[in-house]
Amino acid sequence: ETGVTQSPTHLIKTRGQQVTLRCSSQSGHNTVSWYQQALGQGPQFIFQYYREEENGRGNFPPRFSGLQFPNYSSELNVNALELDDSALYLCASSFGQGLLQETQYFGPGTRLLVL
Amino acid sequence: ELKVEQNPLFLSMQEGKNYTIYCNYSTTSDRLYWYRQDPGKSLESLFVLLSNGAVKQEGRLMASLDTKARLSTLHITAAVHDLSATYFCAVDQGAAGNKLTFGGGTRVLVKP
Repeated sequence: ETGVTQSPTHLIKTRGQQVTLRCSSQSGHNTVSWYQQALGQGPQFIFQYYREEENGRGNFPPRFSGLQFPNYSSELNVNALELDDSALYLCASSFGQGLLQETQYFGPGTRLLVL
Repeated sequence: ELKVEQNPLFLSMQEGKNYTIYCNYSTTSDRLYWYRQDPGKSLESLFVLLSNGAVKQEGRLMASLDTKARLSTLHITAAVHDLSATYFCAVDQGAAGNKLTFGGGTRVLVKP
């Protein structure tokens, strides 16, 4: 059984560019959640995907978008990058939906630096 | 809007002594989590607390939940250097399912 993996591990972009981050969920998991963790802060929920549909969104602007694929892997896309988007982006996978959803497991994260 | 507050923000511990981290949250919740994060690393799940009065223990760490007071505590017994890390509590918003609101974290440094 493989755990949650993310790519790339590190990324440097300039303001205004677009970025795509990738996440492979743990085997058997069908729900993926994305979090943004700024330096020195707790993670903030961006959005969640369940069976390829968005299943809840946090307080993030529309330039943060996502996808989930039939194999339950996921992408996070950020357009028009801003300096404040510099953060560690964490992906977490779990099985199920709502109260029946089991504990989620976090990937190693992608560290994004926007210059 | 659900708010989660941890205190203290920073805890300097002496090896062998006992300490407690507090986590307060503002609305009712079905699940509360504790995570550990080492510098530059991801989140490691420590405990999931599901009901009022729940208590879980693993090694030198013990977590408890009081849903009426909307308070969880993480107690560290006889601190050792290996426990140096940042600890986060996170609350699941009821039926939302793993859409977690995290506290700001407590940075723990255990000195010999």
